[in-house]
Amino acid sequence: KNQVEQSPQSLIILEGKNCTLQCNYTVSPFSNLRWYKQDTGRGPVSLTIMTFSENTKSNGRYTATLDADTKQSSLHITASQLSDSASYICVVPLGSGNTGKLIFGQGTTLQVKP
Amino acid sequence: GAGVSQSPSNKVTEKGKDVELRCDPISGHTALYWYRQSLGQGLEFLIYFQGNSAPDKSGLPSDRFSAERTGGSVSTLTIQRTQQEDSAVYLCASSRSTSAFTYEQYFGPGTRLTVT
Repeated sequence: KNQVEQSPQSLIILEGKNCTLQCNYTVSPFSNLRWYKQDTGRGPVSLTIMTFSENTKSNGRYTATLDADTKQSSLHITASQLSDSASYICVVPLGSGNTGKLIFGQGTTLQVKP
Repeated sequence: GAGVSQSPSNKVTEKGKDVELRCDPISGHTALYWYRQSLGQGLEFLIYFQGNSAPDKSGLPSDRFSAERTGGSVSTLTIQRTQQEDSAVYLCASSRSTSAFTYEQYFGPGTRLTVT
């Protein structure tokens, strides 16, 4: 079954601290993996897209890793800010063709406290 | 340029009524998607349109749900005889194509539907 699972479900950290969010997927065939940030009441916004051959990719204070062998990805947030409080969603497209269908994880809700 | 817009932002309706949700994609984007996000759940694919091809309706939960896209641009998601379990945030996204490899989907802010 094609699934994307994320952990933890929720996380509370203090401002300035680092954190790592996890994503495991069983989607096959695999083409790429995406991390989205969804602020409350808003639509998801892409943070990064990682293809099969990429192991790590950074976008500012966000660093995503991908291990295609173990089918795991992580999103590391460095020096967290209050504005990082949001839901972070791991997404994997279904199939290798032009379907456009995405399989979404349930997200990790991050709360950054002052 | 302008992003994906959706209207209304909030909709409260009585059980059994029909509702229409609207999505304006980014200009030039040929692919348009509808998703549903129920409370505490991940996004659920409903339907997508790619150019003039027949839409992929495989995610629609029942025949009460339908969608159309006029002129390859604006799309309307219609829910007939609404039920309380239809309460959710309905998100629309668009992309330049449906290529799973490259093209990013840009999401609208969503329509929060509450069925009382």
